[in-house]
Amino acid sequence: SYELTQPPSVSVSPGQTARITCSGDALPKQYAYWYQQKPGQAPVLVIYKDSERPSGIPERFSGSSSGTTVTLTISGVQAEDEADYYCQSADSSGTYALFGGGTKLTVL
Amino acid sequence: QVTLKESGPVLVKPTETLTLTCTVSGFSLSNARMGVSWIRQPPGKALEWLAHIFSNDEKSYSTSLKSRLTISKDTSKSQVVLTMTNMDPVDTATYYCARYIVATQFDYWGQGTLVTVSS
Repeated sequence: SYELTQPPSVSVSPGQTARITCSGDALPKQYAYWYQQKPGQAPVLVIYKDSERPSGIPERFSGSSSGTTVTLTISGVQAEDEADYYCQSADSSGTYALFGGGTKLTVL
Repeated sequence: QVTLKESGPVLVKPTETLTLTCTVSGFSLSNARMGVSWIRQPPGKALEWLAHIFSNDEKSYSTSLKSRLTISKDTSKSQVVLTMTNMDPVDTATYYCARYIVATQFDYWGQGTLVTVSS
């Protein structure tokens, strides 16, 4: 079955750049989306269609795509960015949604 | 203002059927570009997509849970209902409903409702 693979954890110091990857065979054909989830809260969309940023999301959040891997980049990480991040996409037919296993971003 | 709110039991017994309702406002369930989905998250674990329903009543389900899930909607009441049969303790999770822009993203989420499966 189709899966999206993320690293379980990423750690960075404040002000550094965090990069979180997501790999999946259908990603060359389907857009990826990224969600931020803080403890006890619902997920919030931070990137859509691989690299677009919704209104209200800080410019330090960006996304990119290359082949079967998409990357969420957070430039100048702040303490408030500590959260779990999930990528999401669809299968090649677009019928089913799926999520990656999530990456815990720790700000040291 | 778009909002979604989940409601349903907080505790169900093993083998029982879970029924959850998502009440939406700020958009119509008849909007062709949008659907409503259910997503769950066991404590400390990842998000798991369960099902979509769209304006034309087309539905899709997670292949691993398809035999246990039914999604339906009442457009006049702005409600989407998910039923899950034969509940098990491993189904303990926070269940979210979310607005789904067709073939793209979940742009608005409910607050989630924690359902515990225990005898």
